[in-house]
Amino acid sequence: DGGITQSPKYLFRKEGQNVTLSCEQNLNHDAMYWYRQDPGQGLRLIYYSQIVNDFQKGDIAEGYSVSREKKESFPLTVTSAQKNPTAFYLCASSLGTGGYEQFFGPGTRLTVL
Amino acid sequence: AQSVTQLDSQVPVFEEAPVELRCNYSSSVSVYLFWYVQYPNQGLQLLLKYLSGSTLVKGINGFEAEFNKSQTSFHLRKPSVHISDTAEYFCAVRYRSGGSNYKLTFGKGTLLTVNP
Repeated sequence: DGGITQSPKYLFRKEGQNVTLSCEQNLNHDAMYWYRQDPGQGLRLIYYSQIVNDFQKGDIAEGYSVSREKKESFPLTVTSAQKNPTAFYLCASSLGTGGYEQFFGPGTRLTVL
Repeated sequence: AQSVTQLDSQVPVFEEAPVELRCNYSSSVSVYLFWYVQYPNQGLQLLLKYLSGSTLVKGINGFEAEFNKSQTSFHLRKPSVHISDTAEYFCAVRYRSGGSNYKLTFGKGTLLTVNP
């Protein structure tokens, strides 16, 4: 079955540590996205990538970094510079960026202690 | 900048009652519009989308939405809800052209709770 996988489902880290969230898709989609979800805030875009080896900052990129070395993979690193990293993180992909719907992974819940 | 307003943060209804979840967006230019559903601790699933054509769009699970350009609205409706429809619903909008061609802007969500 084609889809998007995110791992792990739950992640706990100590304050000051960097952590990398995994996102893999086998849908052959060109575009991939990372969102952050907080209660009552909706989804906010962190980074997106339209093609391999290219990515753009979204609305709340500070304290985060990404890479896109393969079409299937778009890992997100939450750095120690992110002031409030505890949140639900969603990865998505789309066939293209012009009007195509985005398909979402199951999410990773990150808790920083 | 684009904005999406979901007018109700929570909507409680009884099973088999009709429901309408409201969504308004700020742009007056051509847009693409989407409704997504999210069950607890899961990702988002597409319910329906409007890209062009008929203003009444039918989606999965018996939901439909109507695009109203003059009122910049895209309200979601279902004539008879089930307990299993309990979830959070997100409206999203994307410009068809322009500098924001590659992003969706989401509303803050409406929690639909269906009671027996």
